[in-house]
Amino acid sequence: DTAVSQTPKYLVTQMGNDKSIKCEQNLGHDTMYWYKQDSKKFLKIMFSYNNKELIINETVPNRFSPKSPDKAHLNLHINSLELGDSAVYFCASSLQGKSTDTQYFGPGTRLTVL
Amino acid sequence: AQSVSQHNHHVILSEAASLELGCNYSYGGTVNLFWYVQYPGQHLQLLLKYFSGDPLVKGIKGFEAEFIKSKFSFNLRKPSVQWSDTAEYFCAVNAGSADGLTFGKGTHLIIQP
Repeated sequence: DTAVSQTPKYLVTQMGNDKSIKCEQNLGHDTMYWYKQDSKKFLKIMFSYNNKELIINETVPNRFSPKSPDKAHLNLHINSLELGDSAVYFCASSLQGKSTDTQYFGPGTRLTVL
Repeated sequence: AQSVSQHNHHVILSEAASLELGCNYSYGGTVNLFWYVQYPGQHLQLLLKYFSGDPLVKGIKGFEAEFIKSKFSFNLRKPSVQWSDTAEYFCAVNAGSADGLTFGKGTHLIIQP
């Protein structure tokens, strides 16, 4: 039983395309996140949603748009993909989004933009 | 804003050696501290966390970490490493629920059999 799942696991696409990554959690958590891990393994938060409402929106280009149809899902849509978007994107969730809560991570989606 | 510094980017040890990975953070207020591990090809998993109480916390797989407030440090330790501990280790802080996790740049640990 996968707690936090992401699809697809790998995504290879051309510059300028639009793509989406899906994330689902079956933990009953209220808060979900997207993180980006660059080629040097550095992880940085992108977005946080609590009960379908945006809480954190770090300085990411507005080509990135998170969408949360319900609290168990947080999808990431990326428009006009650029070479620099190549990275591993991790979805995570936590119980209530408190600073003491453990965040549970998905397996990651490796995006390669050619 | 908070930041996290991990001093060792690459560490190579032999099996049964003792391990200590450094982590320092910068933030003037109360922080919650985490160590996550990422085994090759896998997702991040929580090793341990600290938010209050005993500053020496024990985690899974024999890992422990000590929070030293005066040094702004949260170093990870294991007395005897195994080959299966080869992984990327991330220290992280969460200073406020609206901030999410701030990660260090990670330490790539290689254990030689």
